[in-house]
Amino acid sequence: ILNVEQSPQSLHVQEGDSTNFTCSFPSSNFYALHWYRWETAKSPEALFVMTLNGDEKKKGRISATLNTKEGYSYLYIKGSQPEDSATYLCAFINRDDKIIFGKGTRLHILP
Amino acid sequence: NAGVTQTPKFQVLKTGQSMTLQCAQDMNHEYMSWYRQDPGMGLRLIHYSVGAGITDQGEVPNGYNVSRSTTEDFPLRLLSAAPSQTSVYFCASSYRTGVQPQHFGDGTRLSIL
Repeated sequence: ILNVEQSPQSLHVQEGDSTNFTCSFPSSNFYALHWYRWETAKSPEALFVMTLNGDEKKKGRISATLNTKEGYSYLYIKGSQPEDSATYLCAFINRDDKIIFGKGTRLHILP
Repeated sequence: NAGVTQTPKFQVLKTGQSMTLQCAQDMNHEYMSWYRQDPGMGLRLIHYSVGAGITDQGEVPNGYNVSRSTTEDFPLRLLSAAPSQTSVYFCASSYRTGVQPQHFGDGTRLSIL
């Protein structure tokens, strides 16, 4: 059974603070890891596609790292803004084309 | 550019009825998939396809059928609707599974009474 865990499940952060959360995935048969941002009443939108151990990706104030040997990825948000409030999903893709999503981290930015 | 189009957006069914959720993409993507979203469960893969004529089961395939006769279309069929299938359904597509991100449709909210 492929298990992808995200922690924490929910997070409240003061506007302007930085934060990070974790995606844990199987370290065997790894092909890629995706991060998505999912706003309420919308569909998920891709943030990052990561394939190589040690990958670091950045888009504005959001960045992500990848460790395929130990099976985890971190997503960082610097200087949180109200528009960052969303659910952040990670998806593990293995070499058999299976995609397994984590349950997401729900981020609330407090004004 | 339409992207991934799902129809209908909302549907109410009675237990035992059958229906087909439609998904079409105009990006010539090889990979298409169906997910269901339930509270506290994230997105769970129902079925997926890596190309026309090829389909495979995901995590929660029971009660659903799919076919992929063309690259563009990937319909999801509920054979005999059950209340446990009340959910929001998302279709997604990509060029390849891993190195390209998934593009999602807007979702179909399905209620089974």
